[in-house]
Amino acid sequence: GAGVSQTPSNKVTEKGKYVELRCDPISGHTALYWYRQSLGQGPEFLIYFQGTGAADDSGLPNDRFFAVRPEGSVSTLKIQRTERGDSAVYLCASSRGQASYNEQFFGPGTRLTVL
Amino acid sequence: RKEVEQDPGPFNVPEGATVAFNCTYSNSASQSFFWYRQDCRKEPKLLMSVYSSGNEDGRFTAQLNRASQYISLLIRDSKLSDSATYLCVVNLVATSYDKVIFGPGTSLSVIP
Repeated sequence: GAGVSQTPSNKVTEKGKYVELRCDPISGHTALYWYRQSLGQGPEFLIYFQGTGAADDSGLPNDRFFAVRPEGSVSTLKIQRTERGDSAVYLCASSRGQASYNEQFFGPGTRLTVL
Repeated sequence: RKEVEQDPGPFNVPEGATVAFNCTYSNSASQSFFWYRQDCRKEPKLLMSVYSSGNEDGRFTAQLNRASQYISLLIRDSKLSDSATYLCVVNLVATSYDKVIFGPGTSLSVIP
């Protein structure tokens, strides 16, 4: 079956611009996670959705970052006033339930470059 | 202290060797533990869960020591295809949060 998909695969933007990153989870997976990963580091937790609601957004670095999942399926990560430090690979993962007890399936990521 | 720490690596081992990776975590309330594998420029994929009793999957053995807050992964008879970064994952769950914490990863290169 189809896995987790993310679009775009690459995004180059200029400092100060707004970007949206999209994640399509595996059908039927209620849990959705966003991470960002810098070179040589493990994925850094950003936000976790259970259904439509953000169950834990404690990993969002500041108020320039926001994510939604209005219908409990597709999610969009939104970054306002991008900064060079936002450059990273943004990973999305979905699971049947909480990742504490279920395997997470990751998408291929969106590589964001802020010039 | 970081929440999850791993052997910095890289580990370069010959085919057939046995190699062990260590991971420590700082929060004693951590509830579940996993090892994920990440190939270069690819997404992480689950390798195995880690249970208190220890568990084995073929050439791979995972151990958890809650008292010492320590997780290990042992790979026996290393294959070239085992070359990857191994990520230790710790889950913290409470009424107000559900957080997944990845370690920085340990890189393994298996050499012919």
